[in-house]
Amino acid sequence: RKEVEQDPGPFNVPEGATVAFNCTYSNSASQSFFWYRQDCRKEPKLLMSVYSSGNEDGRFTAQLNRASQYISLLIRDSKLSDSATYLCVVTLSGNTPLVFGKGTRLSVIA
Amino acid sequence: ETGVTQSPTHLIKTRGQQVTLRCSSQSGHNTVSWYQQALGQGPQFIFQYYREEENGRGNFPPRFSGLQFPNYSSELNVNALELDDSALYLCASSSPAARDTEAFFGQGTRLTVV
Repeated sequence: RKEVEQDPGPFNVPEGATVAFNCTYSNSASQSFFWYRQDCRKEPKLLMSVYSSGNEDGRFTAQLNRASQYISLLIRDSKLSDSATYLCVVTLSGNTPLVFGKGTRLSVIA
Repeated sequence: ETGVTQSPTHLIKTRGQQVTLRCSSQSGHNTVSWYQQALGQGPQFIFQYYREEENGRGNFPPRFSGLQFPNYSSELNVNALELDDSALYLCASSSPAARDTEAFFGQGTRLTVV
């Protein structure tokens, strides 16, 4: 079983749609959780951290369920510029390596 | 931009050759991690250097080796290149003191082995 598993995608959605990405992780000792965004042929960039209480940044909402070892990302009112691959990332506490999911590709269509 | 720079940006090598990739970490960051990202996959952890010492290693063979210098820049060396080593190699710098363990990535080196 992979340490971090994501929806296989791709997701093709019209502008203005709401899209949700799901992710599960296998290591119950994981302490920190993130969503990264990666544009084609570019490096991953941190989109947002994910907290147990849930957190929101504009059109983006992230949720964490530690009991189910499940992470989600919701994007509302999708824009063309949201087209990218979204990577679910977990890590143990401190300065430990990031463990990435395979990524889910999103294409927002006009 | 993140302040993490990698060189070269692109590289073509022949199977069996050796390659050295370089990374300059963000100012104030003493930890550098290297990742390999094959096409269509998420980045896979190769190893991490903290204060010039290897501080963890992923599931990669010994022909993948590294180094960190006193200024915290780092090198990734790969010997006896194989076709499957073709990938985007990413360097990330971080600091134990950083909030949420945020890692900043360089733009990557795209290695093609022919």
